[in-house]
Amino acid sequence: AQKITQTQPGMFVQEKEAVTLDCTYDTSDPSYGLFWYKQPSSGEMIFLIYQGSYDQQNATEGRYSLNFQKARKSANLVISASQLGDSAMYFCAMRDRMDSSYKLIFGSGTRLLVRP
Amino acid sequence: GAVVSQHPSRVICKSGTSVKIECRSLDFQATTMFWYRQFPKQSLMLMATSNEGSKATYEQGVEKDKFLINHASLTLSTLTVTSAHPEDSSFYICSAREGTGTGVSPLHFGNGTRLTVT
Repeated sequence: AQKITQTQPGMFVQEKEAVTLDCTYDTSDPSYGLFWYKQPSSGEMIFLIYQGSYDQQNATEGRYSLNFQKARKSANLVISASQLGDSAMYFCAMRDRMDSSYKLIFGSGTRLLVRP
Repeated sequence: GAVVSQHPSRVICKSGTSVKIECRSLDFQATTMFWYRQFPKQSLMLMATSNEGSKATYEQGVEKDKFLINHASLTLSTLTVTSAHPEDSSFYICSAREGTGTGVSPLHFGNGTRLTVT
C-alpha cells in the first residue's frame, strides 16, 4: 500500500531564506508520481511541482525545486528566496501509475510560516 | 488552466437535514472526480472516486449511504451528505482529472466547501 510521510508539522523560515520541507514515501510500484501542493488559509489546493519516478533530473518550477532521492524514497520540496506569501500548509502526495483511478494519496502536511 | 468550481463554499445546516455539494469542471471534461474530506489542521482523506456514468468507489470506512456521490456528466459531480450530524462538519474538497490526463497530470481542485452541522 502507498504511504506518504511528512515528519515536520510546522516550520519557520526567515523571509528571503531557503527552506526544505521533507517528504518520504513507500510504494511497491516501480512507476509512480510525486506531487507537492500548497494550501493557503483560504483552503484551495495549488499544484506546485511534479516528479516522476523515472525522471532523471530533479524537477524545478521557479522558486520550487524537488530534491528527489529515489533510493532513500524521499522527495523533499525546496523553496528558495521565501516570501511572506509562502506561508501556508504544504502537502506531499503520491500516485501509483498502476492505479488506473489516478487518485492521489496525501501526507499529513507541513505548516510553513515565513517571518519578515 | 483547468478550473474546477465547487459550490457552495460554505454551508450551515441543521442536524438531520441533507446537503448537496456540487463540483464542476469549467473548461475540461473530467473523466474522474475525487472527493476528499479534511478535518482542521489535518490532511486530505480520500472519500471516494467517481467515474462519469458509473457508481462511485468508496474508500474503506466511508459510508456510501451517508455520502451519496453522483457523476452524471463529464463536467459535474455531486456529493450529498444525507441526514447530516455535527460529526459530519468538515471541509470537503473535490478534484478532477482531465479526460486526456495521464499519470503525470496533477489533479485540479475546487476551492472546497466548509460544512457546519448544528
